[in-house]
Amino acid sequence: DSGVTQTPKHLITATGQRVTLRCSPRSGDLSVYWYQQSLDQGLQFLIQYYNGEERAKGNILERFSAQQFPDLHSELNLSSLELGDSALYFCASSVAGAFFDEQFFGPGTRLTVL
Amino acid sequence: AQTVTQSQPEMSVQEAETVTLSCTYDTSENNYYLFWYKQPPSRQMILVIRQEAYKQQNATENRFSVNFQKAAKSFSLKISDSQLGDTAMYFCALNAGNMLTFGGGTRLMVKP
Repeated sequence: DSGVTQTPKHLITATGQRVTLRCSPRSGDLSVYWYQQSLDQGLQFLIQYYNGEERAKGNILERFSAQQFPDLHSELNLSSLELGDSALYFCASSVAGAFFDEQFFGPGTRLTVL
Repeated sequence: AQTVTQSQPEMSVQEAETVTLSCTYDTSENNYYLFWYKQPPSRQMILVIRQEAYKQQNATENRFSVNFQKAAKSFSLKISDSQLGDTAMYFCALNAGNMLTFGGGTRLMVKP
């Protein structure tokens, strides 16, 4: 158990819908990262937050958005869902968000878009 | 831009034997960290080992060790005394800034 929690574990929805994935980082970690793991794209970095502020952005679609709240939990919002958005979404956290920090991964949320 | 390439999609090894997983990378940064993550069938991502680019000494964690060749931009993982629990996907990753870039992964099967 990494100490990072993600809810829900599984999510099944239809095309065009909007969903919210939630992540709670390890106690004491200030930085949160979101990753997408799909069969065709592999593991891709989406976005990073540090203490409530966006720090880095990767291959995140405009239909996706995220935020980190004052209590440091984070939410990833996916809208206008397409079949290709079906994937495993990981949240990770680290102490300070530095490039040398170990990132601790949550168990993931499996999203299925029908 | 940073890239990571794992050229072995699948590998297998007999229990108790040694196996080496390959990884090459590219970055224009001088300082960076390299990581190997393990993803067992449970899908949990688990850090196996990490290496700082400025350290010449290869990192070692119990049965896991790396061969870091900075000039060649190569970062291979050696697993000694392979165990059935080592069966997993292994991802090589690079962080030269604010993001982890992963390779495509190597699926390792340890056979009894």
